[in-house]
Amino acid sequence: EPEVTQTPSHQVTQMGQEVILRCVPISNHLYFYWYRQILGQKVEFLVSFYNNEISEKSEIFDDQFSVERPDGSNFTLKIRSTKLEDSAMYFCASSEQPAVNEQFFGPGTRLTVL
Amino acid sequence: AQKVTQAQTEISVVEKEDVTLDCVYETRDTTYYLFWYKQPPSGELVFLIRRNSFDEQNEISGRYSWNFQKSTSSFNFTITASQVVDSAVYFCARDGSSNTGKLIFGQGTTLQVKP
Repeated sequence: EPEVTQTPSHQVTQMGQEVILRCVPISNHLYFYWYRQILGQKVEFLVSFYNNEISEKSEIFDDQFSVERPDGSNFTLKIRSTKLEDSAMYFCASSEQPAVNEQFFGPGTRLTVL
Repeated sequence: AQKVTQAQTEISVVEKEDVTLDCVYETRDTTYYLFWYKQPPSGELVFLIRRNSFDEQNEISGRYSWNFQKSTSSFNFTITASQVVDSAVYFCARDGSSNTGKLIFGQGTTLQVKP
């Protein structure tokens, strides 16, 4: 069964460093998303991406964040200068259509900022 | 923002008991979508069900059933004859009504099923 994959599973970084989180969505899906979950809290939407453009972003997704689909398979989230409060689990998801179809989530990348 | 409220933070039951997880959502839309996801201790998010606002039929899938009540803006989830493997955090969610796929999640309900 096709699945969303994410690498790395755990990333530890120093405050102020740049990190890139990688995702490979399901191959026939056209819509891609990033969410984050601070430990013990709810899942929060960061950004949705379609046709090589951001279609919606949340207020969390400030200038420090960017997304890219560098090739036909990868979807990346970059945080330019990490802060302590960026420590969270980051989930990538993909879907065939927005809302009409369910989103399938990857296993997540746990980001720890020291 | 259109909120999703899961008022039960934690529920603890003994195996074989039935348990209902509540979900109340806000909406100004006539067309919207509701979802339930399961997050087991391993941390992944597992899709359980999607329901659109035009389909008010209740759904049953094995031990799982969902009760969609548009009149009360609720989409409750019942597990019948609970098992230890049902122990997880369960999230209710709705779409963000902007047709971008954004999901708005509730706070989650932690279900602990004891043997």
